[in-house]
Amino acid sequence: QAGLTQPPSVSKGLRQTATLTCTGNSNNVGNQGVAWLQQHQGHPPKLLSYRNNNRPSGISERFSASRSGNTASLTITGLQPEDEADYYCSAWDSSLSAVVFGGGTKLTVL
Amino acid sequence: EVQLVESGGGLVQPGGSLRLSCAASGFTFSTSSMNWVRQAPGKGLEWVSYISSSSRTIYYADSVKGRFTISRDNAKNSLYLQMSSLRAEDTAVYYCARYFPTTDGDYWGQGTLVTVSS
Repeated sequence: QAGLTQPPSVSKGLRQTATLTCTGNSNNVGNQGVAWLQQHQGHPPKLLSYRNNNRPSGISERFSASRSGNTASLTITGLQPEDEADYYCSAWDSSLSAVVFGGGTKLTVL
Repeated sequence: EVQLVESGGGLVQPGGSLRLSCAASGFTFSTSSMNWVRQAPGKGLEWVSYISSSSRTIYYADSVKGRFTISRDNAKNSLYLQMSSLRAEDTAVYYCARYFPTTDGDYWGQGTLVTVSS
């Protein structure tokens, strides 16, 4: 089952801004809502954003998401050490009738 | 407090079967669609299966179709995954999750490890 495409790793400095990308197609990212999840080592994932750009309560305003065409983005401002984690994008794929995930991006905060 | 507690994982031989359970509490399970999501050691997340609140709608990933069966018992606030014809590539931590990309309010269990090996 084809998944979404994410860069394997991104490194940024403390207090800098990181933008993570997620590329799909018109069956998923382009026409279905995209979610972003954060996963720290040894822990289950946590939802950061749903339906393209909606932030659940309790999620820091430093996390913002957007979508343009078949590409979704997650921007994290003012990077903190605790932001170092794996980040996954996810969407419903209408042609597969399946939830698809990206391969994940490992964010390193230098 | 919301809790999703998976159980039933363990070591199984290739070709064998295993039944995972997930006990839910702290939210209205009977009106929540649920999923199983797995993560192989050192790998990313892989969606396995979805079941609607009434069990009327069920979906499976191609990789498990015909081998895994998702079910639920709303009276017992429980979600299940019956796994058969297990393969080495099914080795993973299996998470029970109330999650959908367009929906707020995700809940995830801590996961249960399934190891398929001879």
